Amino acid sequence: DAGITQSPRHKVTETGTPVTLRCHQTENHRYMYWYRQDPGHGLRLIHYSYGVKDTDKGEVSDGYSVSRSKTEDFLLTLESATSSQTSVYFCAISPGTGSYEQYFGPGTRLTVT
Amino acid sequence: EDQVTQSPEALRLQEGESSSLNCSYTVSGLRGLFWYRQDPGKGPEFLFTLYSAGEEKEKERLKATLTKKESFLHITAPKPEDSATYLCAVQANNDMRFGAGTRLTVKP
Repeated sequence: DAGITQSPRHKVTETGTPVTLRCHQTENHRYMYWYRQDPGHGLRLIHYSYGVKDTDKGEVSDGYSVSRSKTEDFLLTLESATSSQTSVYFCAISPGTGSYEQYFGPGTRLTVT
Repeated sequence: EDQVTQSPEALRLQEGESSSLNCSYTVSGLRGLFWYRQDPGKGPEFLFTLYSAGEEKEKERLKATLTKKESFLHITAPKPEDSATYLCAVQANNDMRFGAGTRLTVKP
């Protein structure tokens, strides 16, 4: 998985609780991304980062926030989880600067009850 | 709005039966078109990048081609281990837009 880990790998939480997912890379890549994958929708971009403390919104950012304080870590936070946020979440990294392919982590399966 | 459409949604082949998967796209300022393979319960695995019309890339039994409006992933003499979901994605600006995928099953 190109030096990408995600934690936790599985989580069950209750509606209204905050949840933080972590993505860690050892490749020193500049770009990091958070996606969610749902049946019938494919992969959809939530947020991405183009450097430390530099982030931007993706297609489905409502209800999510991100932070990147170090090159290697990118955190995704659900401030108050809802059942519609039950999904599989993938982190991806990319070197950028003329090389745009993305490499994905193993995913986190999140269930909000 | 950028769009990526893959067809068919599912494809069942006999081992050795060659076929093609289609990815049609509309995007402004294409930076690249990407093919990924995804096995159940895993993250997508990068296969190819295509940058301009006419470009072709090959890897084992897979060959990807690109025109101005679509890309094809040709699978020659597939084996059961080629069974997976194949995803197409296009890059424009700083984000990547994915298609819903084609689920390929190869029967022995």
